[in-house]
Amino acid sequence: AQSVTQLDSQVPVFEEAPVELRCNYSSSVSVYLFWYVQYPNQGLQLLLKYLSGSTLVKGINGFEAEFNKSQTSFHLRKPSVHISDTAEYFCAVSETPGGFKTIFGAGTRLFVKA
Amino acid sequence: DAEITQSPRHKITETGRQVTLACHQTWNHNNMFWYRQDLGHGLRLIHYSYGVQDTNKGEVSDGYSVSRSNTEDLPLTLESAASSQTSVYFCASSVSRFYEQFFGPGTRLTVL
Repeated sequence: AQSVTQLDSQVPVFEEAPVELRCNYSSSVSVYLFWYVQYPNQGLQLLLKYLSGSTLVKGINGFEAEFNKSQTSFHLRKPSVHISDTAEYFCAVSETPGGFKTIFGAGTRLFVKA
Repeated sequence: DAEITQSPRHKITETGRQVTLACHQTWNHNNMFWYRQDLGHGLRLIHYSYGVQDTNKGEVSDGYSVSRSNTEDLPLTLESAASSQTSVYFCASSVSRFYEQFFGPGTRLTVL
């Protein structure tokens, strides 16, 4: 059965510093991987996704993530964060083929300080 | 533009009452989902549907029901509201069960 672990529940970082939000998953089959962002009092929005091909995926707002199959990880990175990046970030996994739903991690709250 | 809407955005109800939360999408997606979001638990799947007349239980389905009579709507019903069902509820839809989901703005439900 698939599962998703986001290794940090909260990540405080200063503005313009780099950040990495970590995500590990477990699955015995191929997967699709996603990162979503949730701003306060809003629904989730897709940041980026990995379906196949290049393991380095670029998303919106300057974020990128790298799929590492051997380490079953899909860490999210940004070289320089802004105050506006303060939000909750969710990693998600769908198994393919055969999986019936997407599993979400518990979320990582990114807090960018001035 | 296509969108997914939820109503009401905020609801306060009493224990034991029946409550229905509406979800409407104009993406024409076959797949629709209901989640609840609680601190420390992230998103947990309540029910999902892969098409009209299809409904399936998620990991936290007890006390909830859904019905799918058309492509656009998937209402979520709390048969007899309990304080443990105080939460933020999100509806989502997707073109494929494996692809990204589009989320509504959420409904904050308080059960007193």
